Amino acid sequence: AQSVAQPEDQVNVAEGNPLTVKCTYSVSGNPYLFWYVQYPNRGLQFLLKYITGDNLVKGSYGFEAEFNKSQTSFHLKKPSALVSDSALYFCAVRDRGNTDKLIFGTGTRLQVFP
Amino acid sequence: DTAVSQTPKYLVTQMGNDKSIKCEQNLGHDTMYWYKQDSKKFLKIMFSYNNKELIINETVPNRFSPKSPDKAHLNLHINSLELGDSAVYFCASSPRINTEAFFGQGTRLTVV
Repeated sequence: AQSVAQPEDQVNVAEGNPLTVKCTYSVSGNPYLFWYVQYPNRGLQFLLKYITGDNLVKGSYGFEAEFNKSQTSFHLKKPSALVSDSALYFCAVRDRGNTDKLIFGTGTRLQVFP
Repeated sequence: DTAVSQTPKYLVTQMGNDKSIKCEQNLGHDTMYWYKQDSKKFLKIMFSYNNKELIINETVPNRFSPKSPDKAHLNLHINSLELGDSAVYFCASSPRINTEAFFGQGTRLTVV
């Protein structure tokens, strides 16, 4: 069964510092991986995806993620964090069977301090 | 010009009532979903429809019944509401199997 794991419930970082939000996956075959962000009382917003191609994927708001097949990871990164990046971040994988559902990780709360 | 819209945004109701949440997408997508986010923020799929046909029913109680009158709409009807149904329900849509899903703003259901 396809799954993703986000090992950190919360990540704290100072504004201006680089940030990393971790995600590991378990899939059969090649994974379709996604990152979403959820601001308080809002829906999920798509940040970026990896389907195929370059391992470094660039997305919205200056975020990027690196697909690492040997470590089965898809960590979200940003070179310089902003206070406004504080939100809940979800990693997700597509179930590539006939169900086509997105399977989400448990979420990581990012707190950026001024 | 909202892409995926849900109504209502908030719903407070008593146990035992029947309620519906509506969802519409104007993106021309073939696939629509309902997800439930619980109090711990865990997101779990409930249903998926592709071109008005049910694809996924993830062990959801049969008090929950989705209805898709056309591929732009996927409504969720809940009978005999229980306290444990309190959650945020998200509608989403996607065009193809390997693409991202677009989510609505959510409906916060509170059963008292």
